[in-house]
Amino acid sequence: DTAVSQTPKYLVTQMGNDKSIKCEQNLGHDTMYWYKQDSKKFLKIMFSYNNKELIINETVPNRFSPKSPDKAHLNLHINSLELGDSAVYFCASSQVSRVGYTFGSGTRLTVV
Amino acid sequence: KQEVTQIPAALSVPEGENLVLNCSFTDSAIYNLQWFRQDPGKGLTSLLLIQSSQREQTSGRLNASLDKSSGRSTLYIAASQPGDSATYLCAVTDTGNQFYFGTGTSLTVIP
Repeated sequence: DTAVSQTPKYLVTQMGNDKSIKCEQNLGHDTMYWYKQDSKKFLKIMFSYNNKELIINETVPNRFSPKSPDKAHLNLHINSLELGDSAVYFCASSQVSRVGYTFGSGTRLTVV
Repeated sequence: KQEVTQIPAALSVPEGENLVLNCSFTDSAIYNLQWFRQDPGKGLTSLLLIQSSQREQTSGRLNASLDKSSGRSTLYIAASQPGDSATYLCAVTDTGNQFYFGTGTSLTVIP
């Protein structure tokens, strides 16, 4: 009965590859997010989708492209992976009318 | 299961006042605790992060303390400004990267 699930949990890949991280929520929330955890463990927002519509697109390389086929899914596709992309990426969801977020357990991406 | 509570739920103060937001959690086995702010229509912005071995962190006018044994954290905001108006959330993380968010405090700083 996982509320926000993201897969894979770990991803090791070579520079230059293209990879995707999937996220699904079964909470009926209308907004989903992707965050990147920096070296200080701070979360930095990358994208936010509300009802499949992009509402936040922070300054991230255009190699990162979110895709939301429906409001329960927000996948993150990364092209031409670079060493600096190595981090933990978190998916989250919320209901815009209420306080509170539910986060996935994170995907640790390692680019070698 | 970890439960995180924030008091007060809402706070309104005149500009220039110092204020304290409270966060309590039921399970002291945490990896770290973070304070965030949320502005309407936007995602979370990380403010301060305290590792489980630390007692406090400071950034500018913000100071966060952590008493893990009693399951409490406070966020102190000095000389509040209208731009501080937002919802403040605390979240604890366990060793499995699981986030547990508090209920939030909605802060309004009146010019």
